[in-house]
Amino acid sequence: DAGVIQSPRHEVTEMGQEVTLRCKPISGHNSLFWYRQTMMRGLELLIYFNNNVPIDDSGMPEDRFSAKMPNASFSTLKIQPSEPRDSAVYFCASSLGLAGYRYFGPGTRLTVT
Amino acid sequence: DAKTTQPNSMESNEEEPVHLPCNHSTISGTDYIHWYRQLPSQGPEYVIHGLTSNVNNRMASLAIAEDRKSSTLILHRATLRDAAVYYCILRNNRDDKIIFGKGTRLHILP
Repeated sequence: DAGVIQSPRHEVTEMGQEVTLRCKPISGHNSLFWYRQTMMRGLELLIYFNNNVPIDDSGMPEDRFSAKMPNASFSTLKIQPSEPRDSAVYFCASSLGLAGYRYFGPGTRLTVT
Repeated sequence: DAKTTQPNSMESNEEEPVHLPCNHSTISGTDYIHWYRQLPSQGPEYVIHGLTSNVNNRMASLAIAEDRKSSTLILHRATLRDAAVYYCILRNNRDDKIIFGKGTRLHILP
């Protein structure tokens, strides 16, 4: 079975550019979570969806960050404009219901220069 | 959120048992104890969880103190592939979120 799929795996971009990270959850999972991981702040929950509806975006750091889930099999996290401090590994996770175990993707390593 | 306290790092020899402690003195009666681990360059993965009784699965065992204020994740025979950051997390059924702390970085010595 395919796990959570994220693309790209690595992204290097210049400050000011728009960045779009993509996630395909495990088929049948109806909850999706976006996390960010840095050495300084550890794993932070940014936003999560249930049945394609955003439930809590209180972890989104700024208005430059936005996330969408247009259907059950796809979600995007967009940063516009990107800044060097956005450099991190971004993980997407999915679960069967909000109480389910989280299955994490391999992450996208973002470097903003 | 109920908090957990874990050592920053631990070392163990390969093929020996490893006991990873977690303190959670403010645990409530409905909080489950969950463990996740994060292998190098990967996302976290679920390991085990329990409420009051000790639990075993193919990955590990979870020993929960009688007063539930602490627990121990036990890897019965550590291998080099068990080198990871181990997170101890409290959740109850009302929690939508899983909040990760800093965890314990486990080093396995060959």
